Amino acid sequence: DGGITQSPKYLFRKEGQNVTLSCEQNLNHDAMYWYRQDPGQGLRLIYYSQIVNDFQKGDIAEGYSVSREKKESFPLTVTSAQKNPTAFYLCASSMGWETQYFGPGTRLLVL
Amino acid sequence: AQSVAQPEDQVNVAEGNPLTVKCTYSVSGNPYLFWYVQYPNRGLQFLLKYITGDNLVKGSYGFEAEFNKSQTSFHLKKPSALVSDSALYFCAVRDRARSQGNLIFGKGTKLSVKP
Repeated sequence: DGGITQSPKYLFRKEGQNVTLSCEQNLNHDAMYWYRQDPGQGLRLIYYSQIVNDFQKGDIAEGYSVSREKKESFPLTVTSAQKNPTAFYLCASSMGWETQYFGPGTRLLVL
Repeated sequence: AQSVAQPEDQVNVAEGNPLTVKCTYSVSGNPYLFWYVQYPNRGLQFLLKYITGDNLVKGSYGFEAEFNKSQTSFHLKKPSALVSDSALYFCAVRDRARSQGNLIFGKGTKLSVKP
């Protein structure tokens, strides 16, 4: 899991609630990514950021939002608009378009 | 469009036997290819990558992979499997020609190594 931390490890969301997942890296990587993992579907890209104060939508951005105010941090908010948020969320970082390194993940469950 | 196929949902191997986890890809240009491993409830760990050069790439934990351009394949191999190799394995590809291209992941192959 290297120098990437994600918190919390488990997160419970009530209906209509926004929740924020934390991702921090100390690898001095420019790029950061958020993926969603569902059983049997591999990883799907939610958002990515190549530099501070800039980010791009991935394949499944609807119902999610991000910010990139610091190089080390890339928090993901799961909004109430995301109707099926139960999944395992993975954060990754890379130097440019080189190898991506992953954090330990956050499992989001709906109450 | 870029895509990755891992044709086997699960591979079963006896400990000590060689293992192969298959991956084929489709990109418009030349590929960057990666293998990752995931243990239960953990993040993905990088195993190895092919960028250019020798078609046989050696990685962590005794794993290797062979890039075959004509068959558009990048199969993961290990000469002698360990029970501790049991995990979920992901192949990923990026098109080298696309400067803004992201990684595309396969759906994963579950490797089960029995004693």
